[in-house]
Amino acid sequence: QKEVEQNSGPLSVPEGAIASLNCTYSDRVSQSFFWYRQYSGKSPELIMSIYSNGDKEDGRFTAQLNKASQYVSLLIRDSQPSDSATYLCAVNRGGKGGYNKLIFGAGTRLAVHP
Amino acid sequence: EAGVVQSPRYKIIEKKQPVAFWCNPISGHNTLYWYLQNLGQGPELLIRYENEEAVDDSQLPKDRFSAERLKGVDSTLKIQPAELGDSAVYLCASSRGGYNEQFFGPGTRLTVL
Repeated sequence: QKEVEQNSGPLSVPEGAIASLNCTYSDRVSQSFFWYRQYSGKSPELIMSIYSNGDKEDGRFTAQLNKASQYVSLLIRDSQPSDSATYLCAVNRGGKGGYNKLIFGAGTRLAVHP
Repeated sequence: EAGVVQSPRYKIIEKKQPVAFWCNPISGHNTLYWYLQNLGQGPELLIRYENEEAVDDSQLPKDRFSAERLKGVDSTLKIQPAELGDSAVYLCASSRGGYNEQFFGPGTRLTVL
């Protein structure tokens, strides 16, 4: 079992629809959770972070966390073609000394078509 | 605020040659990370620095890879000798430490022929 699992996609949604991206993780002691967007040939760009159970909204993005189910998701409302990218889920499992140790999933490719 | 700076952006070398990558983190970020990303995969941590100290290098192949962060600011990652399987994107990231968010540089795309 991978530590952070994502559906590789592609997830295809029409412009204006809601895109729902999901991620599960195996380490119950994980403390913080991040979503990165990565365009082809570019480096990952942080778009959302979430630390406690529930929802966190930022513009068109909503991150949802359920630690009991070890599940984190990202909703993108009013999807635009410019949202087409790979979305990486990253989980902080707490490394040596409690410092950051991000474990990434392989990413879900999102395609928003006009 | 300037982002993480990396150089070079691209590097093509022949196998068995040495190569070095440089990274300058965001000002004020005391934690610096080197990641490796293969095509279709998420980044994988190679080494993490807290100031000058390498606090997690468990994933660094120490027979051929080395890293340093003198003075606790910029950092260099070296491969000697390079192998065909080292072809990948090498990413540098920085954060304020703790559980804070990490921000990535543009990466160096290495091709070993």
